[in-house]
Amino acid sequence: QKEVEQDPGPLSVPEGAIVSLNCTYSNSAFQYFMWYRQYSRKGPELLMYTYSSGNKEDGRFTAQVDKSSKYISLFIRDSQPSDSATYLCAKGGSNYKLTFGKGTLLTVNP
Amino acid sequence: DAGVIQSPRHEVTEMGQEVTLRCKPISGHDYLFWYRQTMMRGLELLIYFNNNVPIDDSGMPEDRFSAKMPNASFSTLKIQPSEPRDSAVYFCASRDRLGNQPQHFGDGTRLSIL
Repeated sequence: QKEVEQDPGPLSVPEGAIVSLNCTYSNSAFQYFMWYRQYSRKGPELLMYTYSSGNKEDGRFTAQVDKSSKYISLFIRDSQPSDSATYLCAKGGSNYKLTFGKGTLLTVNP
Repeated sequence: DAGVIQSPRHEVTEMGQEVTLRCKPISGHDYLFWYRQTMMRGLELLIYFNNNVPIDDSGMPEDRFSAKMPNASFSTLKIQPSEPRDSAVYFCASRDRLGNQPQHFGDGTRLSIL
């Protein structure tokens, strides 16, 4: 079992929809979680990060962590065509390394 | 503020040739990471450095791959000899040592081995 599993999609939604992106992880060692967004032919860029269980909100984006079930989610409200990208979840530990999911390709149609 | 700079952006070469990828991290960052991204395997960590010293190279696929960081502002990833299965996008990332800081990525080198 890979350390971080992510539904690869692709996911296609109409503009204005609520998007839910999900990952599961194994290995409960010290951890924090990040969501990266990657546009085509660009490097990943950090979208959100969180350490603890619960929700963290930033504008239209909400990151949710459930450590008891080892489940992390990213919600995008009022999705826009500019949100079309690949979204990567990542888990970090005490050794400065990040383990990434394979990414979910999202297309928001105008 | 300049981000992580990688060169070249694209590289096309024939099997058996030596390939050298270059990275300039963000100034002041102590950690530098090399990743490979493919459709099949996603983003995989190859090796990372702390203060120019390799810390973990367990992701380097085989002896044909080598990485160096001669100073704080430059790193190379070399493949010799290259093979078609090495075709991928190679990313360099750097981060600050403080706390759980994010890694900042370059825009990658798209490598095609014919």
